[in-house]
Amino acid sequence: GAVVSQHPSWVICKSGTSVKIECRSLDFQATTMFWYRQFPKQSLMLMATSNEGSKATYEQGVEKDKFLINHASLTLSTLTVTSAHPEDSSFYICSAKRGTSGITTDTQYFGPGTRLTVL
Amino acid sequence: GQNIDQPTEMTATEGAIVQINCTYQTSGFNGLFWYQQHAGEAPTFLSYNVLDGLEEKGRFSSFLSRSKGYSYLLLKELQMKDSASYLCAVMDSNYQLIWGAGTKLIIKP
Repeated sequence: GAVVSQHPSWVICKSGTSVKIECRSLDFQATTMFWYRQFPKQSLMLMATSNEGSKATYEQGVEKDKFLINHASLTLSTLTVTSAHPEDSSFYICSAKRGTSGITTDTQYFGPGTRLTVL
Repeated sequence: GQNIDQPTEMTATEGAIVQINCTYQTSGFNGLFWYQQHAGEAPTFLSYNVLDGLEEKGRFSSFLSRSKGYSYLLLKELQMKDSASYLCAVMDSNYQLIWGAGTKLIIKP
């Protein structure tokens, strides 16, 4: 159990367009989901933390109006990169924490990542 | 299917050496990563292996055998701050990351 999926796996878009990335917990309810960016051979950079039904908490330096996060259900969080530019090209990874009856475990389950290329 | 196996938890003594193993079965292979994650923090990159052999980086070393689908992370001269979860992840033929569940390492004085 504890599988996290992301869709799409790859996306190529033109500069100025918006891209939506989905993160789903397939076999558990995720009360908290995280969005990360990763550059080659570097640590994951936390962008934001989202809790189901509430606004996401963004890390310092991450533009909330550019990276829109919605955690509408206990199994789905979406990251929308608005007006994407080439510098937004990166590997975006989500993770989810399992929650049961209001109790959240510490273990994070990571998704396979979405590679975004902005032309 | 694809899967990564690593022990759930390990305990070691300060100053000692510990080896965390990771075995994998994936569709294709484009490298294996080790990350360290302290509670409440983002994973920190430790190593990347794509060729067989041992890569040493200070107190941490990582080994890969592609034919055996096996890697290990070796931590020497353990310090209390090394208490963390260690994540093994493999990049498959589609450049997707397949993650292990992580090994929680507990360091005792």
